[in-house]
Amino acid sequence: EADIYQTPRYLVIGTGKKITLECSQTMGHDKMYWYQQDPGMELHLIHYSYGVNSTEKGDLSSESTVSRIRTEHFPLTLESARPSHTSQYLCASSESGRGVNEQFFGPGTRLTVL
Amino acid sequence: AQSVTQLGSHVSVSEGALVLLRCNYSSSVPPYLFWYVQYPNQGLQLLLKYTSAATLVKGINGFEAEFKKSETSFHLTKPSAHMSDAAEYFCAVGKAAGNKLTFGGGTRVLVKP
Repeated sequence: EADIYQTPRYLVIGTGKKITLECSQTMGHDKMYWYQQDPGMELHLIHYSYGVNSTEKGDLSSESTVSRIRTEHFPLTLESARPSHTSQYLCASSESGRGVNEQFFGPGTRLTVL
Repeated sequence: AQSVTQLGSHVSVSEGALVLLRCNYSSSVPPYLFWYVQYPNQGLQLLLKYTSAATLVKGINGFEAEFKKSETSFHLTKPSAHMSDAAEYFCAVGKAAGNKLTFGGGTRVLVKP
């Protein structure tokens, strides 16, 4: 079944640790996105990718980095986690093509940095 | 620049009553508009999408939204609320360049028995 997956779902980690949040999709979509969402707040785009080896920063500045080596995989990395990074991170993907296409979302990773 | 304003961060309705969630947008070009729903501890799920084909858009779970250009609005309605409608709802406006979405602040819906 075509879907979009995120692991881990929940992560509690200490300050200074390096973390990688995984996102994979089996939909064959070219475009992928990372959003940051604080509790009860709107989503802010932090990274997006048009395809393999293409990554761009989003509207909200983030200390995280992303890579896109394979079409289906779009991991997000924080080299040194801080309490200010505590948030929910949502990954999404969409088709390419004319107009604005629906984005399909993963279940999210809730990150807590102590 | 595009923006979305959702009036009311929380809405409380009785089961069986009308659900009305307000969304106003700002866009310099004809907009692509979306409503998404987010259940607790889950990602977002598309309810419906406006792409200029028709001003009244029907979505899943009995929801619909009407595009009103003169009011720059895209309000979401459901005639009769169900307990399972309790969730957070996000309005979004899309930009064709890059397929990027700008989200509103969200409206949390509470359904009372």
